Amino acid sequence: SQQGEEDPQALSIQEGENATMNCSYKTSINNLQWYRQNSGRGLVHLILIRSNEREKHSGRLRVTLDTSKKSSSLLITASRAADTASYFCATDPNSGYALNFGKGTSLLVTP
Amino acid sequence: EPEVTQTPSHQVTQMGQEVILRCVPISNHLYFYWYRQILGQKVEFLVSFYNNEISEKSEIFDDQFSVERPDGSNFTLKIRSTKLEDSAMYFCASSEGTDWETQYFGPGTRLLVL
Repeated sequence: SQQGEEDPQALSIQEGENATMNCSYKTSINNLQWYRQNSGRGLVHLILIRSNEREKHSGRLRVTLDTSKKSSSLLITASRAADTASYFCATDPNSGYALNFGKGTSLLVTP
Repeated sequence: EPEVTQTPSHQVTQMGQEVILRCVPISNHLYFYWYRQILGQKVEFLVSFYNNEISEKSEIFDDQFSVERPDGSNFTLKIRSTKLEDSAMYFCASSEGTDWETQYFGPGTRLLVL
């Protein structure tokens, strides 16, 4: 089954720096979504990019999608300590409602 | 801002016992989901529910699991006879009719089976 797989597994940066996380998947998708999870908490939806879109912005977030390479990237610009969390990509298969999540990238932003 | 709520936040149960996890989806949403996350692992889809019936389920969602929307606001997940390996964080999610692809998650119920 198709799954999003993020890299790196862990990323540590300082406040003000940019953070880039990547996601790869295996089969065709309708869309790809990015979620954030603070430790022990629920998933917060960040952004959805459709298969016919190449780039999308939301505030300090920039997402790209390359369907030919089956990959996506999430860029967080000017990071803050509050951005410390795990970030997951989730793919939406063509056939149903289930989201397939990757293992996530753990981001640590230090002051 | 409307949000998905879940109760209880934590539940401890003995192996073999039945548990019911409760969720109140966002009020105008039409699609409902359960996912689980075993500690240290990725979030896994269990089931989706639309129009009072299951629309999709994973291999994890076997006969021990059931879902119900008993009234206009609640959405429940029942595990009939819990096993140790059911210990996980269970997330409820919902999505609206027009933008059904964007799923909004609740804070989760942490289930511990002893």
